[in-house]
Amino acid sequence: SQKIEQNSEALNIQEGKTATLTCNYTNYSPAYLQWYRQDPGRGPVFLLLIRENEKEKRKERLKVTFDTTLKQSLFHITASQPADSATYLCALDKGSGNTPLVFGKGTRLSVIA
Amino acid sequence: EAEVAQSPRYKITEKSQAVAFWCDPISGHATLYWYRQILGQGPELLVQFQDESVVDDSQLPKDRFSAERLKGVDSTLKIQPAELGDSAMYLCASRPPGSGIGTGELFFGEGSRLTVL
Repeated sequence: SQKIEQNSEALNIQEGKTATLTCNYTNYSPAYLQWYRQDPGRGPVFLLLIRENEKEKRKERLKVTFDTTLKQSLFHITASQPADSATYLCALDKGSGNTPLVFGKGTRLSVIA
Repeated sequence: EAEVAQSPRYKITEKSQAVAFWCDPISGHATLYWYRQILGQGPELLVQFQDESVVDDSQLPKDRFSAERLKGVDSTLKIQPAELGDSAMYLCASRPPGSGIGTGELFFGEGSRLTVL
């Protein structure tokens, strides 16, 4: 069966450091991978999308990589700030029409001042 | 900025009662999704609409859940009767048109938090 794993339920890092979150998948061939941020009690908010033929995507302090051989995406937040504390969800997209996204459980990131 | 509207934000009910959630997607978004998110888990798809038609309801527990989008705009998700295990956040999301080529981020509403006692 399809499986999406995000490396840990919770990750604590010091302010100013780079946070690295992992998303691994099995039995799936996504054409695209998306990352979302979710604050407690709120709906997810889109951050970045990366296509299977893209190795890396950047947006301000965010960077996403996508390795279809390893079946893995890495999500980096550089110069992390306490305001970056949230749950980060990865989502897989088959890309064939409006197929629904399949989400991982998320990783709860806490940036400590 | 356009948003996906959901109501109610919070709902507390007793088991065996009926509950209903409403969603108004961003104008022009033909694709609408209902996801359920249990605390500590990721969102799981319940149903997908394209305009007024159901595209995928394979994960919807049809013995107690129903969803409709009669005019292809706003949508209602109903649970009858509610069970303890239905306690979760119910999220509505919409997707812009022309999203079949990997440009389709989802726009989520703030969700409806259901507690079944």
